[in-house]
Amino acid sequence: DAGVIQSPRHEVTEMGQEVTLRCKPISGHNSLFWYRQTMMRGLELLIYFNNNVPIDDSGMPEDRFSAKMPNASFSTLKIQPSEPRDSAVYFCASSLEAGSADTQYFGPGTRLTVL
Amino acid sequence: EDQVTQSPEALRLQEGESSSLNCSYTVSGLRGLFWYRQDPGKGPEFLFTLYSAGEEKEKERLKATLTKKESFLHITAPKPEDSATYLCAVPNFGNEKLTFGTGTRLTIIP
Repeated sequence: DAGVIQSPRHEVTEMGQEVTLRCKPISGHNSLFWYRQTMMRGLELLIYFNNNVPIDDSGMPEDRFSAKMPNASFSTLKIQPSEPRDSAVYFCASSLEAGSADTQYFGPGTRLTVL
Repeated sequence: EDQVTQSPEALRLQEGESSSLNCSYTVSGLRGLFWYRQDPGKGPEFLFTLYSAGEEKEKERLKATLTKKESFLHITAPKPEDSATYLCAVPNFGNEKLTFGTGTRLTIIP
């Protein structure tokens, strides 16, 4: 299995621009998680989906952030407009069984820099 | 609120010098504890899951143990390739959200 796939791996953009991060979970996994990692705050959960349905988005910092999962093999995290404080590494993770504390497998991350 | 605290924040060891990393947790009903390894520029890589006090798991030079209040990651005769940040995490009560510790940055000096 290819594992969790994320794109792009690096993104540099200017303040005010729209940024879209993409994730393909492991085939057959039913839960998908979006995290943000910074030196100051560590790993923070932004939102997670079970069976393509958003379950908890309480970690999304503000309305500039949105996430979708149109099907079982694809999810996006969008930031519009982007701000310098959004600079971080964004990880996508997936787990097999929805509704339980199953092992989460992480992708390689997208390093976002907002100038 | 669930809390996870890892210590030390950073640890430097000589190659072959064994030691332990600590993960203390406060949760409402433990449903497991996860250990991950993270290399620079990469995503966390799953190592172990422990479910009950007294449980132990091993992988090469690593052994994870669990008590009712904390978990230890023991590293025996480490090699430079064991250098990484080690993260522990616990599931929140009633959902799949994980609370992560801030990690221990381990450096093994040849």
